[in-house]
Amino acid sequence: GESVGLHLPTLSVQEGDNSIINCAYSNSASDYFIWYKQESGKGPQFIIDIRSNMDKRQGQRVTVLLNKTVKHLSLQIAATQPGDSAVYFCAETETGNQFYFGTGTSLTVIP
Amino acid sequence: DGGITQSPKYLFRKEGQNVTLSCEQNLNHDAMYWYRQDPGQGLRLIYYSQIVNDFQKGDIAEGYSVSREKKESFPLTVTSAQKNPTAFYLCASSIAYNNYEQYFGPGTRLTVT
Repeated sequence: GESVGLHLPTLSVQEGDNSIINCAYSNSASDYFIWYKQESGKGPQFIIDIRSNMDKRQGQRVTVLLNKTVKHLSLQIAATQPGDSAVYFCAETETGNQFYFGTGTSLTVIP
Repeated sequence: DGGITQSPKYLFRKEGQNVTLSCEQNLNHDAMYWYRQDPGQGLRLIYYSQIVNDFQKGDIAEGYSVSREKKESFPLTVTSAQKNPTAFYLCASSIAYNNYEQYFGPGTRLTVT
């Protein structure tokens, strides 16, 4: 089966610092990746996505980096704010038919 | 406002009882999904539906049942056969089954005692 994992279960950062959340995947055929943000007791919210033909994609204050050689995905959040505190997890799919989700990293922003 | 609604937010049941979780979307999406989320685990797919009157088992369908009689509705029944039903249940939808972006509802937390 698929394996999507995160390197760190928790991450604490000072407000204003940059955050980096990592994700490893095992299926080299995966061609689409998504990062989600999930606040406590709520459903996941789409943050940013990237296809396998790219190695970097930027959004507003967020950047996703994809390293297909080592099957690694990262989410960078610039100037982290208290509202960024949440669980972040990645998801991967090969065909768009079924996604495999990581376990999540809990980000805590210290004011 | 367009979106996905799930009700109720919290649900409590006694062991041995069936319970139905509601999921409604007004996004005009063809595909709908049910996931289960447990602490320390990634989302796991229970059932999905590509189109009205069609649904398929996901990775952990045992002990669950669904129906898709209307495009906007995809209720999930947790039966007494589900050995460990206490979890956070998430419904999602996408424009089409192989469309990559899924929109999630707010979830229902089911506690069975």
